[in-house]
Amino acid sequence: QLQLVQSGAEVKKPGSSVTVSCKASGGTFSNYATSWVRQAPGQGLEWMGGIIPIFGTANHAQKFQGRVTITADESTSTVYMDLNNLRSEDTAVYYCARETTVNSWDAGYWGQGTLVTVSS
Amino acid sequence: QPVLTQSSSASASLGSSVKLTCTLSCGHISYIIAWHQPQPGKAPRYLMKPEGSGSCTKGSGVPDRLSGSRSGADRYLTISNLQSEGEADYYCETWDSKIQDWVFGGGTKLTVL
Repeated sequence: QLQLVQSGAEVKKPGSSVTVSCKASGGTFSNYATSWVRQAPGQGLEWMGGIIPIFGTANHAQKFQGRVTITADESTSTVYMDLNNLRSEDTAVYYCARETTVNSWDAGYWGQGTLVTVSS
Repeated sequence: QPVLTQSSSASASLGSSVKLTCTLSCGHISYIIAWHQPQPGKAPRYLMKPEGSGSCTKGSGVPDRLSGSRSGADRYLTISNLQSEGEADYYCETWDSKIQDWVFGGGTKLTVL
């Protein structure tokens, strides 16, 4: 059974950057689309961007263009999300999610979430 | 890009049935969607992906009391014999496979009376 295990909680200052990792185990990794989705306190789920590791090119939601970088390391089955120029509104739980089957696009598998707190 | 619209809240009595709606934007009414249930402190729960052909991919352990259906631009999640643990937020998700973007609805908060 596929498991997505994310890195631990982070506390960051405004203007700084954060990197969150998502390691896949128990399943195939490279051919599947993996996305990053966040949920701010009291808000809904928000798609940030995603990547298919075997292709290497990520795409991002317009809102995060220029601030988010999504990369993948096939050798360790890990996807990374870097978010820079952090502001208080970026305080949220960040999830990685992988599509159920190749080209199915539905978020069938989720990581446990990583709380990122941005505070001065 | 598709837009998904959900009512912000719904309520139903314990033991009853409730139908949650997710509406696709004009031009995208044929899109397939999936349903999810965020769980505080845990990974969100993937509930199901009802296909247009009548088949449905369900998440692990999702009971038969939860089912999906569609009519036109509307996609439905029906919960039968509503239990207290059904009090939760429910989100629909779709995707634009050409540009590889995912989209979420605003979520519906279901209250069990």
